[in-house]
Amino acid sequence: GAVVSQHPSRVICKSGTSVKIECRSLDFQATTMFWYRQFPKKSLMLMATSNEGSKATYEQGVEKDKFLINHASLTLSTLTVTSAHPEDSSFYICSALTSQETQYFGPGTRLLVL
Amino acid sequence: SQELEQSPQSLIVQEGKNLTINCTSSKTLYGLYWYKQKYGEGLIFLMMLQKGGEEKSHEKITAKLDEKKQQSSLHITASQPSHAGIYLCGADFNPSQGGSEKLVFGKGTKLTVNP
Repeated sequence: GAVVSQHPSRVICKSGTSVKIECRSLDFQATTMFWYRQFPKKSLMLMATSNEGSKATYEQGVEKDKFLINHASLTLSTLTVTSAHPEDSSFYICSALTSQETQYFGPGTRLLVL
Repeated sequence: SQELEQSPQSLIVQEGKNLTINCTSSKTLYGLYWYKQKYGEGLIFLMMLQKGGEEKSHEKITAKLDEKKQQSSLHITASQPSHAGIYLCGADFNPSQGGSEKLVFGKGTKLTVNP
């Protein structure tokens, strides 16, 4: 099956710093990628839809200036958490959409903001 | 091996018919989540089940978790074209109450509802 990677898998940072998370589709091109956030023992929450070559579409309640998304190529989308605070600590998961509309998930990035 | 088996892989039904999608695990489920993906869009959370025997409903969609907490079924009553999409189950195999653990997903069921 298709493979999606995320880097880093785990990151600890100080409050006020910015953190960039990469999502790559390794063996297919993805025009569309999604970014999700998962809270402990809770479901995934869709944050935004990342479209290659255009601006991301953010879900209601998600601050686009805080969660910067860049989809610079057909295999790479990045999520930057700017001026991170402890409440941003979470599990961030990306997924990439194939041309057959199948969604493949990355392994996730665990962010801990101190 | 796949920890979570979802069946069927695809389903085509006539509008108005009932249908069931299953999600089965060989391990105990400590959280079972159902999502729907409309074509080209991200996942939409439908329901979460945690207790054995639990049943929840969302409009015409009902989901159950069996008593052994190893199987969940999603049932749609009187299906409509708006129900079409990909249904995905996600499982939490971690019994601990704290911390973040990544969900394990089934492969999805593609539902087509013909008018």
